[in-house]
Amino acid sequence: GNSVTQMEGPVTLSEEAFLTINCTYTATGYPSLFWYVQYPGEGLQLLLKATKADDKGSNKGFEATYRKETTSFHLEKGSVQVSDSAVYFCALGKAAGNKLTFGGGTRVLVKP
Amino acid sequence: DARVTQTPRDKVTEMGQEVTMRCQPILGHNTVFWYRQTMMQGLELLAYFRNRAPLDDSGMPKDRFSAEMPDATLATLKIQPSEPRDSAVYFCASARGGAEETQYFGPGTRLLVL
Repeated sequence: GNSVTQMEGPVTLSEEAFLTINCTYTATGYPSLFWYVQYPGEGLQLLLKATKADDKGSNKGFEATYRKETTSFHLEKGSVQVSDSAVYFCALGKAAGNKLTFGGGTRVLVKP
Repeated sequence: DARVTQTPRDKVTEMGQEVTMRCQPILGHNTVFWYRQTMMQGLELLAYFRNRAPLDDSGMPKDRFSAEMPDATLATLKIQPSEPRDSAVYFCASARGGAEETQYFGPGTRLLVL
């Protein structure tokens, strides 16, 4: 079956540090890949996505590249801010039903 | 700015009581999802609908949970009877069809069953 594995948190960083959150997946076929972010007390919202191999999704300074050869979709940001403190979820979607499979989430805390 | 709305935002109830949560998906979205989030289990998909028909409710405890879409603008999730282990945040999300389409989440209903 489909599965998503992402690094466990919490990840604690200082402001302006480099952030990487690893995400690997298992799926048949060619899934779409997503990163969602959840700020405290809110629902999840899409951060970025990629729909085919070698695509790069980017938004708000975050980037992730769909790597089919390593089945990975790692999230990166070059210089984090306190406002990036949140829980980040990696997910995959299959064409068969628009159903997403989520990873366990990674909590990120950025300190000033 | 179209949004998914959920009511109530917070609910405290006693064990054995019925709980009904409501969701209004974004107009034009034909797929609706119900998720449950807890610290222990993370984010779990309970059920989802396409064009108001249930496609998958395998994640939902059948004996006490039920999900319906009376019309295209309303989705409901009911728990009867509620139990303390049902305490969680319940999210509704909607999307257009297709795996590449973004799911838009509501703000959630925080449920506490005493």
